[in-house]
Amino acid sequence: EADIYQTPRYLVIGTGKKITLECSQTMGHDKMYWYQQDPGMELHLIHYSYGVNSTEKGDLSSESTVSRIRTEHFPLTLESARPSHTSQYLCASSESRGYTFGSGTRLTVV
Amino acid sequence: DQQVKQNSPSLSVQEGRISILNCDYTNSMFDYFLWYKKYPAEGPTFLISISSIKDKNEDGRFTVFLNKSAKHLSLHIVPSQPGDSAVYFCAARLREGAYSGAGSYQLTFGKGTKLSVIP
Repeated sequence: EADIYQTPRYLVIGTGKKITLECSQTMGHDKMYWYQQDPGMELHLIHYSYGVNSTEKGDLSSESTVSRIRTEHFPLTLESARPSHTSQYLCASSESRGYTFGSGTRLTVV
Repeated sequence: DQQVKQNSPSLSVQEGRISILNCDYTNSMFDYFLWYKKYPAEGPTFLISISSIKDKNEDGRFTVFLNKSAKHLSLHIVPSQPGDSAVYFCAARLREGAYSGAGSYQLTFGKGTKLSVIP
């Protein structure tokens, strides 16, 4: 049973639409992350959070934004989707032993 | 500058044989290493880890070896099974006190190696 949940699993959306990718975890972890991955490519950190009301940009520049109002919830928002945003988005949370990843959202912007 | 390197993008192995996936790192401040397995359209799942105080960790068919002097680790899968076909990511974590950016527990990932186990 997954302890970190991402919805939707797949999303096809038109250019210019606003979208929010949901991520929730039930493990009480303070640290959460968003990664972006294209097929066959490495994982790129785009956002992270140390805890409630703490968010930072990651190594890869992204036009998305995140919020952390509750410990368990770390949604990612794209205000105006573009075809260049087509990718897989992975949410993770961590404690001392490593990351737990969600199943990911495969986003396609047409 | 890539601190965790997986130089082989892909590897093909016959079922029943040994699969060896390699990973090199450049930062001597890493003290904990992990391997993740990823199927297409799914998130990575934790496979096995090793602390820098050890040189080997074993879990069933999976063994990770760490050579600190060479800054090299490897994942051995014996025997390989078709269900092992996936992308494998090596990851490393900085030791306490050496944090930057996302701080403690942030992992640095390699680019991954796609393993294909041929029946």
